[in-house]
Amino acid sequence: AQSVSQHNHHVILSEAASLELGCNYSYGGTVNLFWYVQYPGQHLQLLLKYFSGDPLVKGIKGFEAEFIKSKFSFNLRKPSVQWSDTAEYFCAFRTGGGNKLTFGTGTQLKVEL
Amino acid sequence: DAGVIQSPRHEVTEMGQEVTLRCKPISGHNSLFWYRQTMMRGLELLIYFNNNVPIDDSGMPEDRFSAKMPNASFSTLKIQPSEPRDSAVYFCASSPSGFSYEQYFGPGTRLTVT
Repeated sequence: AQSVSQHNHHVILSEAASLELGCNYSYGGTVNLFWYVQYPGQHLQLLLKYFSGDPLVKGIKGFEAEFIKSKFSFNLRKPSVQWSDTAEYFCAFRTGGGNKLTFGTGTQLKVEL
Repeated sequence: DAGVIQSPRHEVTEMGQEVTLRCKPISGHNSLFWYRQTMMRGLELLIYFNNNVPIDDSGMPEDRFSAKMPNASFSTLKIQPSEPRDSAVYFCASSPSGFSYEQYFGPGTRLTVT
């Protein structure tokens, strides 16, 4: 079955530390990939997306993600996190046919001052 | 643009009561999605519509749940009868036509069934 795995469920970092959140999907064909963020008490918002072309995608607020097809991965990175990045991060993907996105279980990030 | 609008934002009801959640998608979007979010199960897709037609309802938990989209600007998710295990945040999202596939989420309805 198609699925998305986010192996880090909880991550705690100090401000200015670098961030990498893992995301792996299981599907052998073409995929579209997304990272969403949910700040405390708010709804999900799109951080970035990959459809085709350059596998290194830059999003809002200094986030980027790299699509590595051979590893079925789409890890999220940020060189220096801020306290305001404290949120839950969801990886999602779409396969051909239809608008349905499959979401991962999310990674709760806490950034400490 | 007002974004996706959901009502009510909070709902507290007693077990056995009927609950109706409402969603107004972004104007011009032709796909609408209902999700449920809990600590235990994360974010689950319940059902989605394309051009007001239900496409995939495989995530609807059981017959107590039903969803309708009578027109392009309104959808409801109904739970009858409600149970305490239905307590969750219910999100509605919409997506434009074309090849964006980006989903825009509403603020959610926090449902508590006592």
